[in-house]
Amino acid sequence: GQQLNQSPQSMFIQEGEDVSMNCTSSSIFNTWLWYKQDPGEGPVLLIALYKAGELTSNGRLTAQFGITRKDSFLNISASIPSDVGIYFCAGFLISNFGNEKLTFGTGTRLTIIP
Amino acid sequence: DGGITQSPKYLFRKEGQNVTLSCEQNLNHDAMYWYRQDPGQGLRLIYYSQIVNDFQKGDIAEGYSVSREKKESFPLTVTSAQKNPTAFYLCASSVGAALLYGYTFGSGTRLTVV
Repeated sequence: GQQLNQSPQSMFIQEGEDVSMNCTSSSIFNTWLWYKQDPGEGPVLLIALYKAGELTSNGRLTAQFGITRKDSFLNISASIPSDVGIYFCAGFLISNFGNEKLTFGTGTRLTIIP
Repeated sequence: DGGITQSPKYLFRKEGQNVTLSCEQNLNHDAMYWYRQDPGQGLRLIYYSQIVNDFQKGDIAEGYSVSREKKESFPLTVTSAQKNPTAFYLCASSVGAALLYGYTFGSGTRLTVV
């Protein structure tokens, strides 16, 4: 099955730094979602994007739906210790309409260095 | 509060044994999903069900079985045919329009073969 290409695979940053990650696909998506997974827990939805070019914020998090419909970006500003975890992008593939399931990215693991 | 409950949180199995992971939701969601997560490999779809008494294989269904006799429940059986069952298993559900709302995940079951 298809998986989205997410980069970087891992990030090591200091508290207070900004973070950027992205997700790309060879196929067009009409919905992009960003999830965060804490260690040993299930992913939790952070942001949902529904239109090409859309820019949406949730506190210190900002995500964008790429205008080509083939990519999405997530930025975290002024990182704090609780931002540690794995971030997943997910997309709904147009060809799956009527057979609804998401396609997930490979994840970006964020670690904050003391 | 509505949500998805996975049990147990940790499960140990001897080689050659079948084991069943429980997933219950009280969100009145139509669709339910099982994912497997291995370190560095993201989420891989095992089985999914969009309505009661119907389910479809995902990308890695070999060695697994499911049932969907009730809307609220979607148990996963890991059979002895699964060659490498040690992993973190995640159950999820969606309203049916994953396009709009994405998935709600449970907190996972970590299965270890001893």
